[in-house]
Amino acid sequence: DVLMTQTPLSLSVTPGQPASISCRSSQSLLHSDGKTFLSWYLQRPGQPPHLLIYEVSKRFSGVPDRFGGSGSGTDFTLKISRVEAEDVGIYYCMQNIHFPRTFGPGTTVDFK
Amino acid sequence: EVHLLESGGGLVQPGGSLRLACVASGFTFVDYAMDWVRQPPGKGLEWVSTISYRGEDYAGSVQGRFTISRDNSKNTVYLQMNSLRADDTAVYYCAKGLTLLDSWGQGILVTVSS
Repeated sequence: DVLMTQTPLSLSVTPGQPASISCRSSQSLLHSDGKTFLSWYLQRPGQPPHLLIYEVSKRFSGVPDRFGGSGSGTDFTLKISRVEAEDVGIYYCMQNIHFPRTFGPGTTVDFK
Repeated sequence: EVHLLESGGGLVQPGGSLRLACVASGFTFVDYAMDWVRQPPGKGLEWVSTISYRGEDYAGSVQGRFTISRDNSKNTVYLQMNSLRADDTAVYYCAKGLTLLDSWGQGILVTVSS
């Protein structure tokens, strides 16, 4: 199985300041079609997860442009340019190329 | 607007069975893969199963005990869960997609306990 790791596991941020989460996979997520199937999800308290980023860097419909994804192969990063109140929650990366699908352990983001 | 609504959860004894259903609306159901993802209380997300053009795929922890299926005439995906164990206790989410999970249901709680 592909192991997904995230750092840090917890992040306290100041509103308006940037934040960054790293995700690493134990195998390459690059498909033979040239696409890389790494996605990011946010789970706000008491809510189901929702999709933020797919294929490493593509923002899903309605996702604010303060969210950005980057990376390749096995190393990926989610960046929030200026954290807002609605960004508090747990962020998960997920690989969508190999079965079984696997999630990272989650990074909890809250305010200082 | 995509809408996914799970049902069928509840309390079941160890060794028992339960069938979850997820009714979908707002998109052409037959064209999309569907998934089940679960979240044990206070823990992270765990992918359970996907039904797609590939057929059915399962997590190792549920292989041989759970069966995913779909009825395209009813826009519904199912998860038949047999031989349930305490560590199957979780909120079960229905989700849409194969290379990304772009829509999620609100989730349904399954509790396995005597």
